Amino acid sequence: DTEVTQTPKHLVMGMTNKKSLKCEQHMGHRAMYWYKQKAKKPPELMFVYSYEKLSINESVPSRFSPECPNSSLLNLHLHALQPEDSALYLCASSQEERGHGEQFFGPGTRLTVL
Amino acid sequence: SQQGEEDPQALSIQEGENATMNCSYKTSINNLQWYRQNSGRGLVHLILIRSNEREKHSGRLRVTLDTSKKSSSLLITASRAADTASYFCATDGAAGNKLTFGGGTRVLVKP
Repeated sequence: DTEVTQTPKHLVMGMTNKKSLKCEQHMGHRAMYWYKQKAKKPPELMFVYSYEKLSINESVPSRFSPECPNSSLLNLHLHALQPEDSALYLCASSQEERGHGEQFFGPGTRLTVL
Repeated sequence: SQQGEEDPQALSIQEGENATMNCSYKTSINNLQWYRQNSGRGLVHLILIRSNEREKHSGRLRVTLDTSKKSSSLLITASRAADTASYFCATDGAAGNKLTFGGGTRVLVKP
């Protein structure tokens, strides 16, 4: 299984809602990533988990809260988001935790904040 | 901040033609990777070239790397309509542990 899955595919939420994005991989990868991508822009790294521990937080606002319950799962909890947080959120995983190798991306969650 | 800058930002070609896009970066790297993204979907890894390599091929793809100029190019030969996508280079710093993506080149292949 060489697939990274993400749910939901689309999410619309109000600024007072709490929601979660989910990501799963069964490739035995020990590094998992969250990226944010705005239209016609490159992905921007948000968080890196290495061996289920948060290793990089790119100064992301606290309204985004990552969680890695086990080596296959990665969640992104959302609370009190702003309209400018609307974007495509991509999850990725890699075998090498130092970002030196190929990353496998999920299809993304298209988030709209009203 | 972006490590890689790509040009052109957009490219329109006819099916069967070659497409070339370039990537420049600022700091030393372990490797440089190219990814493809179809219309708002996930990225797909195309090719990885290590800092001690100068050229690499994969099917219709040819990647070059010039570390002295801190630049790389991706050539797609005999393009097809299915090659229509955005292409991103991504670098990892020699001391770093993350990928940083360039701005991307949007390629349109007209049938």
